Amino acid sequence: EPEVTQTPSHQVTQMGQEVILRCVPISNHLYFYWYRQILGQKVEFLVSFYNNEISEKSEIFDDQFSVERPDGSNFTLKIRSTKLEDSAMYFCASRGRQGINTEAFFGQGTRLTVV
Amino acid sequence: GNSVTQMEGPVTLSEEAFLTINCTYTATGYPSLFWYVQYPGEGLQLLLKATKADDKGSNKGFEATYRKETTSFHLEKGSVQVSDSAVYFCALSGGGNTPLVFGKGTRLSVIA
Repeated sequence: EPEVTQTPSHQVTQMGQEVILRCVPISNHLYFYWYRQILGQKVEFLVSFYNNEISEKSEIFDDQFSVERPDGSNFTLKIRSTKLEDSAMYFCASRGRQGINTEAFFGQGTRLTVV
Repeated sequence: GNSVTQMEGPVTLSEEAFLTINCTYTATGYPSLFWYVQYPGEGLQLLLKATKADDKGSNKGFEATYRKETTSFHLEKGSVQVSDSAVYFCALSGGGNTPLVFGKGTRLSVIA
């Protein structure tokens, strides 16, 4: 069964460092998303991406964040200068096509710890 | 904007007990509704979904009915097992490319 794959599963970084979180969405999917979940809290939307551009972003997704689909298969989230409050589980998701009946498939997540 | 409210946890039940996790939503138009489950140490998995009013989603013994009149999508299971211990998230999508909006999650612990 096709699945969304995220790497690494866990990343520890020092405050102020740049991190890149990687995702390989399901191959024929068109819509891609990043969400985050601070420990014990709700899952929050960060950004959605379609047709090689951001289609929607939340207030959380400020200038420190960027997304890219560099090679047609990977979908990356970059945090330029990490802060302690960026520590969270980051989930990538993809969706096959437009329409209300399509579900989003989530990866296993990357746990980011900023120290 | 769209929002989801679900009951606060944690919920602790004995094996074979009946489970209800309440979820209500606020949305414009006709959203699709979902329940996702997160087992310990794992990612989010779709448990069930419903795309229009009066639809019932079901999977693994869990059910939820899309009630437009009460804007609710309560999750139920008649007899829970220890393996059902997880965090359950209610979510909605306004359709198209719109992102999912999640509730805060309800942690369920089932004890033998």
